Amino acid sequence: GDSVTQMEGPVTLSEEAFLTINCTYTATGYPSLFWYVQYPGEGLQLLLKATKADDKGSNKGFEATYRKETTSFHLEKGSVQVSDSAVYFCALRRVGTNAGKSTFGDGTTLTVKP
Amino acid sequence: DAGVTQSPTHLIKTRGQQVTLRCSPKSGHDTVSWYQQALGQGPQFIFQYYEEEERQRGNFPDRFSGHQFPNYSSELNVNALLLGDSALYLCASSLFATVDYEQYFGPGTRLTVT
Repeated sequence: GDSVTQMEGPVTLSEEAFLTINCTYTATGYPSLFWYVQYPGEGLQLLLKATKADDKGSNKGFEATYRKETTSFHLEKGSVQVSDSAVYFCALRRVGTNAGKSTFGDGTTLTVKP
Repeated sequence: DAGVTQSPTHLIKTRGQQVTLRCSPKSGHDTVSWYQQALGQGPQFIFQYYEEEERQRGNFPDRFSGHQFPNYSSELNVNALLLGDSALYLCASSLFATVDYEQYFGPGTRLTVT
């Protein structure tokens, strides 16, 4: 079945440091890939997405590129801020009608210190 | 434009009891999916409802059941509660008949079983 593996956390960085959170997936076909962010006590917010190979999703300074050859979708940000502290989830979902469920990784907790 | 809303925010139940959680989808959406997020883990797909029918189901026992109403809102029912059912329950809404739909998540209901 489908699965998503994220780098284990937690990750602690100083403000303005470079961020990489690794994500690899296992799925048949060509799923869409997503990064979600979850702040304490809140639900999930979509951060960015990519729907086909070599697509780059970007939002709020975060980027991730859909790499089919390595089945990866690593999240990057050039300069993190304290406000980026949150839990980040990588997820996949099959495209098309009746696509149904999203499959999530276990999340990576990011703490950014001033 | 109201997003996805869920009620209640928090709930405490005793083992063996039954619970009902509620979700109202984002305006214009017709599909509701439910997820269970245990502490420190990613969300796990429970089931999806469209046109008042369960369309897909994850690996959850029959104690978990749901319903969708004509106005697209949905309920999640859990019978014979176990301690292991303690989790954040997330509702996500989307539009069924689109090739690449986006799911919008609600803030969740925190269920504690004692």
